[in-house]
Amino acid sequence: DSGVTQTPKHLITATGQRVTLRCSPRSGDLSVYWYQQSLDQGLQFLIQYYNGEERAKGNILERFSAQQFPDLHSELNLSSLELGDSALYFCASSDGTTWDTQYFGPGTRLTVL
Amino acid sequence: QQQVKQSPQSLIVQKGGISIINCAYENTAFDYFPWYQQFPGKGPALLIAIRPDVSEKKEGRFTISFNKSAKQFSLHIMDSQPGDSATYFCAASGTGGGNKLTFGTGTQLKVEL
Repeated sequence: DSGVTQTPKHLITATGQRVTLRCSPRSGDLSVYWYQQSLDQGLQFLIQYYNGEERAKGNILERFSAQQFPDLHSELNLSSLELGDSALYFCASSDGTTWDTQYFGPGTRLTVL
Repeated sequence: QQQVKQSPQSLIVQKGGISIINCAYENTAFDYFPWYQQFPGKGPALLIAIRPDVSEKKEGRFTISFNKSAKQFSLHIMDSQPGDSATYFCAASGTGGGNKLTFGTGTQLKVEL
């Protein structure tokens, strides 16, 4: 158990809908990362937050957004969902220092029908 | 543009044998190279990591070899066991990128009895 929790574990929804994925980092970790894992794209970095502020952005679509709250939990919002958004979404947390280890949560499996 | 190339895509090793997975990177700003292990239905878990100031790091049966001039690094699993059967990902990050991880495409390892 990495100490990172993600909810829900599974999510099934329809095209055009909006969903919110939630992540609670390990106790004491200030940095949260979101990654998408799909068969064709592999594991791809989406976005990072550090202590409430956006720190780095990767291949995140404009339909996707994220935020980190004062209690350090983070939410990833996916809107206008398309079939191709079906994937595993992982949250990882770290203490935010240089060369810090990222600990991954169990993931949320999103299926868009 | 894929910045971390990983091979082989899949690997079958006999119990007690040595598993070797190779990765090559392009971005010379990378300065942290972790390996993650992922079991089906689970999030990636850090196995071992190396920084470019050393050429080798060993932890138990797992060894990373690093060749800075060739921009290559590899994972060796000695005395491979059936419990090692999983997908292995190499990754890289640089301090200039907010520590986001760029992953290889993964190697599916199967250790047979």
